Amino acid sequence: ETVLTQSPATLSLSPGERATLSCRASQSVGRFLAWYQHKPGQTPRLLIYDASNRASGIPARFSGSGSGTVFTLTIRSLEPEDFGIYYCQQRSNWPPSITFGQGTRLEI
Amino acid sequence: QAQLVQSGAEVATPGASVRVSCKAPPETFTNYGLSWVRQAPGQGLEWLGWISGDNGNTNYAQKFRGRLTLTRDTSTTTVYMELTGLTSDDTALYFCARGSPYGTRYYFDVWGQGTLVIVSS
Repeated sequence: ETVLTQSPATLSLSPGERATLSCRASQSVGRFLAWYQHKPGQTPRLLIYDASNRASGIPARFSGSGSGTVFTLTIRSLEPEDFGIYYCQQRSNWPPSITFGQGTRLEI
Repeated sequence: QAQLVQSGAEVATPGASVRVSCKAPPETFTNYGLSWVRQAPGQGLEWLGWISGDNGNTNYAQKFRGRLTLTRDTSTTTVYMELTGLTSDDTALYFCARGSPYGTRYYFDVWGQGTLVIVSS
């Protein structure tokens, strides 16, 4: 099973600052890597898929990069509403499965 | 807009089973199938498994094999998740979501509203 490790566990930043979240895979996942934002009481929100493609309706301040085993989610110029827990997620070819990272809590 | 509608909250006793439903639009049901994801209190997201609406094929996370059964009803485009041998560790918010462990649509872009399952004696 491919394990995703996210860092840091918690990130405390101020509005207007830049957030950099990391996700490392225990083996290559190519570019099959997605990022989600999850706020209390809400369903998770897809931000990025295929490592760098923004999902529909996602502001341009969210960007993703990486391939293979190292991935980064960058939030340029944080807004107050960007608080929440951010998860990365991948799919493995063999055996076919899906795993999530343990999450990074972003505090604004 | 694809919309997934889940059944209501459930309370179960340890050792019992729970069944949660998720009704999907026909296009989602047939073309994508549905996965189940849960979040236990204070924990992260966890993928449980996936079912094809088209042919009923399933893929279960290794952790849940033997306890999890996903089924579907093609006449109502509804999928069902049954989890047996419940323990307090299964207390969680359970989501159905559009996304598959196969191919390029592995990401979850549409989610159900979530079903709270509480396991308590």
